[in-house]
Amino acid sequence: DTGVSQDPRHKITKRGQNVTFRCDPISEHNRLYWYRQTLGQGPEFLTYFQNEAQLEKSRLLSDRFSAERPKGSFSTLEIQRTEQGDSAMYLCASSFGTGGQETQYFGPGTRLLVL
Amino acid sequence: GQNIDQPTEMTATEGAIVQINCTYQTSGFNGLFWYQQHAGEAPTFLSYNVLDGLEEKGRFSSFLSRSKGYSYLLLKELQMKDSASYLCAVSPTSGGSYIPTFGRGTSLIVHP
Repeated sequence: DTGVSQDPRHKITKRGQNVTFRCDPISEHNRLYWYRQTLGQGPEFLTYFQNEAQLEKSRLLSDRFSAERPKGSFSTLEIQRTEQGDSAMYLCASSFGTGGQETQYFGPGTRLLVL
Repeated sequence: GQNIDQPTEMTATEGAIVQINCTYQTSGFNGLFWYQQHAGEAPTFLSYNVLDGLEEKGRFSSFLSRSKGYSYLLLKELQMKDSASYLCAVSPTSGGSYIPTFGRGTSLIVHP
């Protein structure tokens, strides 16, 4: 399967702990996006990479969130000092293109529950 | 910014036709995506409209009117497996941000 993969699929943690998620995009895709989705809502943009460069970050993203894509391939999203409000599905998507019209392909998501 | 509005929930009968509407207000518009998302799964791409008009793809068709800020997704010959959330997403103008903004999704329930 050459689709987008995410690990872990589920994560339960206690408030105050740090968590890290990984996303492996489709291999030839140069763009990678992180979204957060809560029940009954659409995906909410968090951050975006073109190759290894983090080009955009949502204003809603607190300083507790950080993302990296060190070699322009896989990406990690870390949440420090988790809060109950961080409980959500974290989706990764990738795409290839230069004109802003390309289709995003989503991974299966990581479901986070903060107790 | 972007403002996208779509109905929260719709119900339909197996074999019928259903139309899911999406209206948007945006400061810059390049195109509009429709995604399907089954419960607990990732969104999957259905269609992308840039020009006005109807684009047909099997049982699914998508329509766009740029002047009216309006789109719809038409599902024909409904099947039980079509029960899912349908997400409308607006792609901004090229040259700036490439980040599509998603609506809240329309939960479609297909019953026998």
